[in-house]
Amino acid sequence: AQTVTQSQPEMSVQEAETVTLSCTYDTSESDYYLFWYKQPPSRQMILVIRQEAYKQQNATENRFSVNFQKAAKSFSLKISDSQLGDAAMYFCAYRSAYNNNDMRFGAGTRLTVKP
Amino acid sequence: EPEVTQTPSHQVTQMGQEVILRCVPISNHLYFYWYRQILGQKVEFLVSFYNNEISEKSEIFDDQFSVERPDGSNFTLKIRSTKLEDSAMYFCASSDLRNTGELFFGEGSRLTVL
Repeated sequence: AQTVTQSQPEMSVQEAETVTLSCTYDTSESDYYLFWYKQPPSRQMILVIRQEAYKQQNATENRFSVNFQKAAKSFSLKISDSQLGDAAMYFCAYRSAYNNNDMRFGAGTRLTVKP
Repeated sequence: EPEVTQTPSHQVTQMGQEVILRCVPISNHLYFYWYRQILGQKVEFLVSFYNNEISEKSEIFDDQFSVERPDGSNFTLKIRSTKLEDSAMYFCASSDLRNTGELFFGEGSRLTVL
């Protein structure tokens, strides 16, 4: 079974600085998707960024980028120029490309942004 | 932008009572899911649903749980006899056939069992 590990329960960053959230996963599959979801206090999980495993290029979305290391099964999220609105729980997630069933989540990292 | 909607946002119930949580997935999506998040813990998969039947379910999804798509829009999660440990946020999600992998989540229903 696939597992997702986020080893940082909490992180903090100064506004305008850069922070990196770590995620590792375990799978025997060759094709899959990886995601970072943001869950602000309003509760709804919102997709931040997605990476297809077959793509070598790291995904970027404005201030958010990932460092995808397939061999190491690592998928970290970098937030540049952190803003107060970035404060939230961040979940790393894995989903197989071979079926449309469940998505596996890490335990989450609570990010605090200090003004 | 289309979104997944869930009702109620918060429900308080007595142990042993039946609860139905409702979800309206995005209209052109065909895959539906329920996830659970106990306070302070990780998001856990409960069940996936496709073509009017359960595709996969976790060990959490025991005989007390059931899902149904009673009409063309709603997707419900029923807990027949709630237990204290069922207290959690329940998230509904949906996805489409493009298989970009993304799940679209609702805002969740908080269930408190007393």
